[in-house]
Amino acid sequence: NAGVMQNPRHLVRRRGQEARLRCSPMKGHSHVYWYRQLPEEGLKFMVYLQKENIIDESGMPKERFSAEFPKEGPSILRIQQVVRGDSAAYFCASSPTRTATNEKLFFGSGTQLSVL
Amino acid sequence: AQTVTQSQPEMSVQEAETVTLSCTYDTSESDYYLFWYKQPPSRQMILVIRQEAYKQQNATENRFSVNFQKAAKSFSLKISDSQLGDAAMYFCAYRSAEETSGSRLTFGEGTQLTVNP
Repeated sequence: NAGVMQNPRHLVRRRGQEARLRCSPMKGHSHVYWYRQLPEEGLKFMVYLQKENIIDESGMPKERFSAEFPKEGPSILRIQQVVRGDSAAYFCASSPTRTATNEKLFFGSGTQLSVL
Repeated sequence: AQTVTQSQPEMSVQEAETVTLSCTYDTSESDYYLFWYKQPPSRQMILVIRQEAYKQQNATENRFSVNFQKAAKSFSLKISDSQLGDAAMYFCAYRSAEETSGSRLTFGEGTQLTVNP
C-alpha cells in the first residue's frame, strides 16, 4: 500500500511560468490537504479538498493559486505566473474520512519549488 | 483562530540524555487534538506522538512522552535517552475536533534539535 505520492520532488520554474504540483493520496483516501512550508518556517495550511469539491480554501492566496481533486486522477495544486516568493516546499496530506476522529493524517514527501 | 507557538528555535542535547521541547497554543475550543511531528532532512513529516484534549493522562510512545497542561495550554515533548537519529526539526500541531475542520492542522514554527555524540 503506497503512501501519499507527490511529484515532482523538485520543480524549477522561471518567474512568470506556471507550476503544477501533483498529489496522489493513499489508496482509499478521499480527503486531501495542501500545506506550504517557507524556508525556516512551519507548515501553513492552504486548502482542503474532497473528491470534486473544495471544502476549505481559506489558506489559499487570492490570486494565481488554484487546486483541484478530480473524480479520477491526482490532486493538482496550480500556481500561475510564479514569483520568487512562491519558492517553498509544498506538502500534500491525505485522510480516509472527514470526521475529526482520532485518525492519522498521512503526509507526502513534498515538492520543492524553486523560482528563478 | 488557533495559534501554536514554539519558543525554542533550536535545542541541543547530548546522546543518551533527556531533552524537553516546549509548545504553547491558544484556542477557545474545549475539544481538540495535539501532535508532535518530526521532520528530518528528507522532509518527510513523521508523526511522533498524539494527545486527545479530553484525556488527562499524558501520551507516551517509547522514549517520547508529553506533558499536557490543558489549563495552561501547554504541550511539551520529552525525549528520553536521545539518539543521533532523533536529530530533526520538530513541529507541534493543533487540530480542532470540529467536524467542519476535517483533519486540518495548525503548526508551530518548529524547533531544530541537534543531538551531540
